[in-house]
Order: sequence, then C-alpha cells, then structure tokens
Amino acid sequence: GAGVSQSPRYKVAKRGQDVALRCDPISGHVSLFWYQQALGQGPEFLTYFQNEAQLDKSGLPSDRFFAERPEGSVSTLKIQRTQQEDSAVYLCASSLVDSSASPLHFGNGTRLTVT
Amino acid sequence: GQNIDQPTEMTATEGAIVQINCTYQTSGFNGLFWYQQHAGEAPTFLSYNVLDGLEEKGRFSSFLSRSKGYSYLLLKELQMKDSASYLCAVRGDSWGKLQFGAGTQVVVTP
Repeated sequence: GAGVSQSPRYKVAKRGQDVALRCDPISGHVSLFWYQQALGQGPEFLTYFQNEAQLDKSGLPSDRFFAERPEGSVSTLKIQRTQQEDSAVYLCASSLVDSSASPLHFGNGTRLTVT
Repeated sequence: GQNIDQPTEMTATEGAIVQINCTYQTSGFNGLFWYQQHAGEAPTFLSYNVLDGLEEKGRFSSFLSRSKGYSYLLLKELQMKDSASYLCAVRGDSWGKLQFGAGTQVVVTP
C-alpha cells in the first residue's frame, strides 16, 4: 500500500481486557514509531524501532504497554489489563531512513475506548 | 524540562494570511517539523527546518531561529480546506523521539 496502515480503526475494550493494535509501515521504511494522542493534544511519544530493534521505549507509560516488531516490518502494540486512562488514539508512523531530516509518515490511528 | 508552546486556536478569513508561532525548549536540536492534522485523520508532513531562515513551499512557509528557540508557520491565501490543527514538533537529542506541541486549531471563515 501507499501509506501506513493501522488496524483496527476503532477498538472498544472493557476495563481489564488486553488489546493488540497492528501497524503496517510503508514498505522499506527502516524506522517505526508509536505515539499516543489524547483529544485536543499533540501526539505523545511511546516507543521507536529501527528495523527489529526497539531503540527507545522511554515513553511507554507503564509495564502494561508492550511493543514488538519481530521481522522489522509489521509492529504490534499490546496493552494489558486496559484502564480508562488508556483511552486515546494510538498513531503509528514510519520513516524511510535514519536521518534527522527524514519526516515521519503517520497512519490514521486506532481509536481505543476503554469502558 | 522540555517544552513546546503554540497558541491553542486562531481564526482567519478565507484568502487571508495566518502566522502560527511555536517556541521550544529542548535538550539538543536536530530539526523542527510542522504537520497538518484534520480531525480524525493522520498528521501529514508540511515542512522541515534545521538551519535558521525561511523555507517556502507554495502557500506554506516556515521560519526558524535556533538562537531564539522560535519557529513560525505562515499560511497564505487561506482556503476553507486549511481549517485543521497545525502541530509543531522538535527532534532533540534523542533521535527517535519527535516531540510535539499541543497543536494550533486554525479556523478559516468565509
């Protein structure tokens, strides 16, 4: 596909359930990023991968959040025992190369609602 | 700490010019990005500045002053479709961590 693809587009989970959010980056893009965006706010960094290596996970809010990219392409963000404060849009982005000038290309996000 | 500030909302008339300011304080600096985000959609890349000065790209221009920790995005000949949130983002010392401001909601009126 031409852009970053995320699924599902919407997810409703009951508090305490586990969820898995999928990201298909642009083919050939080396770097992959996960961001969390609350309503009316800018995206907040969660974690980033260079190929299959997770180089920075400092933004993950708790040990309930886990991300992986085992083959250096598709990535999954998993949230265990969801809480209401996890409700947000989760954005995935990819970039072609490891360069400061390389822009991030975002997917449309997964809107997670925890009830 | 690290801080990126931009106004919450701006209103302008179709055909006019609007300037969105962004000030930042970050650990290190490796470039500043502007993104446009329509409601419910992905942020889309508009511009990148790493050196001081003005970058022009059609109706959109972006300016950077590193010594002042300041940037602006200039939108000319506003169109209704320009109504969106505009996000300022800075790449600091930590390469992978692009830090975003809260966004400026631009409302274009007829």
